[in-house]
Amino acid sequence: GAGVSQSPSNKVTEKGKDVELRCDPISGHTALYWYRQSLGQGLEFLIYFQGNSAPDKSGLPSDRFSAERTGGSVSTLTIQRTQQEDSAVYLCASSLGTLLSYNSPLHFGNGTRLTVT
Amino acid sequence: AQSVTQLDSQVPVFEEAPVELRCNYSSSVSVYLFWYVQYPNQGLQLLLKYLSGSTLVESINGFEAEFNKSQTSFHLRKPSVHISDTAEYFCAVSEVGSQGNLIFGKGTKLSVKP
Repeated sequence: GAGVSQSPSNKVTEKGKDVELRCDPISGHTALYWYRQSLGQGLEFLIYFQGNSAPDKSGLPSDRFSAERTGGSVSTLTIQRTQQEDSAVYLCASSLGTLLSYNSPLHFGNGTRLTVT
Repeated sequence: AQSVTQLDSQVPVFEEAPVELRCNYSSSVSVYLFWYVQYPNQGLQLLLKYLSGSTLVESINGFEAEFNKSQTSFHLRKPSVHISDTAEYFCAVSEVGSQGNLIFGKGTKLSVKP
């Protein structure tokens, strides 16, 4: 596949359960971003990985949210003890390099629609 | 830290009319600026970007944006819109010298009516 792949595409979970969202970036892309898109809130930055550097976690809304990126490729976003306000579309994006060396735009996945009941 | 403000959440226009989608940013350092577009039921994609050089940048489908440092703005314009331009448009900023974190505005929904 040529694009960013996210799974699952839809996830319905009960309040209080943990969920894991997966992102497969484009092969060779060193930068990986997680965003959350919800009504009225636009596109909210969550976390950013760049190569082997420590991730920028400044956007994570609470300590229930965490993310990791194994081997510089696949990333997993984990939400523990989900709440109804966590319901949103979670988007992953990757790019070839940092924006400093820029000529690579972000490539977005189609997102995971999370519904917490 | 940088931030982006898109003042208009929705902009309805008639086909062939001109349109301007406003974007203002806040940053203590130099920035890179972007516009992304999300068509209905599709993912986000890059529309145009400003990195350096000419302050006026253009996309392949007739949109243009001008970087105005004094007004800290990067408004998106098109002289004559089409029905197919109906989409949500997001302005984004990244600080020069940062690791590349990209911050988006809340988006503007452009609705083009016949």
